[in-house]
Amino acid sequence: KAGVTQTPRYLIKTRGQQVTLSCSPISGHRSVSWYQQTPGQGLQFLFEYFSETQRNKGNFPGRFSGRQFSNSRSEMNVSTLELGDSALYLCASSSRTFPYEQYFGPGTRLTVT
Amino acid sequence: AQKITQTQPGMFVQEKEAVTLDCTYDTSDPSYGLFWYKQPSSGEMIFLIYQGSYDQQNATEGRYSLNFQKARKSANLVISASQLGDSAMYFCAGANYGGSQGNLIFGKGTKLSVKP
Repeated sequence: KAGVTQTPRYLIKTRGQQVTLSCSPISGHRSVSWYQQTPGQGLQFLFEYFSETQRNKGNFPGRFSGRQFSNSRSEMNVSTLELGDSALYLCASSSRTFPYEQYFGPGTRLTVT
Repeated sequence: AQKITQTQPGMFVQEKEAVTLDCTYDTSDPSYGLFWYKQPSSGEMIFLIYQGSYDQQNATEGRYSLNFQKARKSANLVISASQLGDSAMYFCAGANYGGSQGNLIFGKGTKLSVKP
């Protein structure tokens, strides 16, 4: 079974621009969660999508948004990029059956200059 | 909400020896799960082992075992017979099952270095 895939793997953007990251979950998994990882704040939960609906949301500003398509693929968008948005963005998929373990993709490393 | 604490920023272990990585948690939810992930320098988070709050026995997966002490609210990861490939960041994470089930709360991580 193929794992979680994320594209692109690396991205360099300028402050003020917007960016879209993509995640394809493991086949059959309908839940996709997004996490931000920075050296200062560690790993922080952004949001979770299940069956095209946002189920949970972390404590991030509205500039961070996402969506999920009918094939369970998910996209995350960050508008008006700030320097502090530089991070590794990790996507995780889950079958949402107990115990809800999540399987992560390789991440997208975003650098904002 | 969960709070996960990992107090060891970095650890060294000799190849073939066992090592224990500490994790304490704090939650008021009686139903929760605890997870350990490995993150090599490549960045991908690899799921290692899971322990549920109602599990009577400690979880084991190959060379990984979880020393679960509910009264102490600790869920330490034990790696037996360390290998050079075990050098990585290790994260403890928790999830509450009573409320939102979609998000993991992570600790700050422990960087494990295995010496030949």
